[in-house]
Amino acid sequence: AQSVTQPDIHITVSEGASLELRCNYSYGATPYLFWYVQSPGQGLQLLLKYFSGDTLVQGIKGFEAEFKRSQSSFNLRKPSVHWSDAAEYFCAVGADTGFQKLVFGTGTRLLVSP
Amino acid sequence: EPEVTQTPSHQVTQMGQEVILRCVPISNHLYFYWYRQILGQKVEFLVSFYNNEISEKSEIFDDQFSVERPDGSNFTLKIRSTKLEDSAMYFCASIRMGPGLEDTEAFFGQGTRLTVV
Repeated sequence: AQSVTQPDIHITVSEGASLELRCNYSYGATPYLFWYVQSPGQGLQLLLKYFSGDTLVQGIKGFEAEFKRSQSSFNLRKPSVHWSDAAEYFCAVGADTGFQKLVFGTGTRLLVSP
Repeated sequence: EPEVTQTPSHQVTQMGQEVILRCVPISNHLYFYWYRQILGQKVEFLVSFYNNEISEKSEIFDDQFSVERPDGSNFTLKIRSTKLEDSAMYFCASIRMGPGLEDTEAFFGQGTRLTVV
């Protein structure tokens, strides 16, 4: 069965600094991987996804993620964080029986300091 | 961009009471999901719904839960007799199916926070 681990519950980053949020997955075959963001009072918004091909995926809001099969990782990065990026970030993997049946990690709450 | 709308945003109910959580998915979408997130835990799959019937359900989705799309627009999750452990954020998702995997995407509502007291 698939699983996703996000080892960091909270991360605080200074505005303008770079960001990396970690995600490790467990899946037997080629995974379908996703990053979602949830701002307060909002739904889960898709940032980016990986299905195949180029392992460096570009998403919305200046985010990117790199799929590393050897490390079973799909870390999310942003070169310069803005205060509006403060939110909860969820990594997810598509399940065996339907790639949109998602298995989520516990999420990482990003705090942005001035 | 079309949105998935969930109502209410917050519901408080007494243990043993029935609750109905409502979702208005994106029109012309055919696949819908319910997920839930207990505070501090992972977002978990509950059930998927296609062509007016359940296509898959998790172990969590027991006889106390039901889903339906009564009028072709609203997609509802009913919990017949709520328990304290049903307290969670419930998310509805509406799936856009594309010609390929790359074009397929889940659109989530903002969630309903259910508190059972």
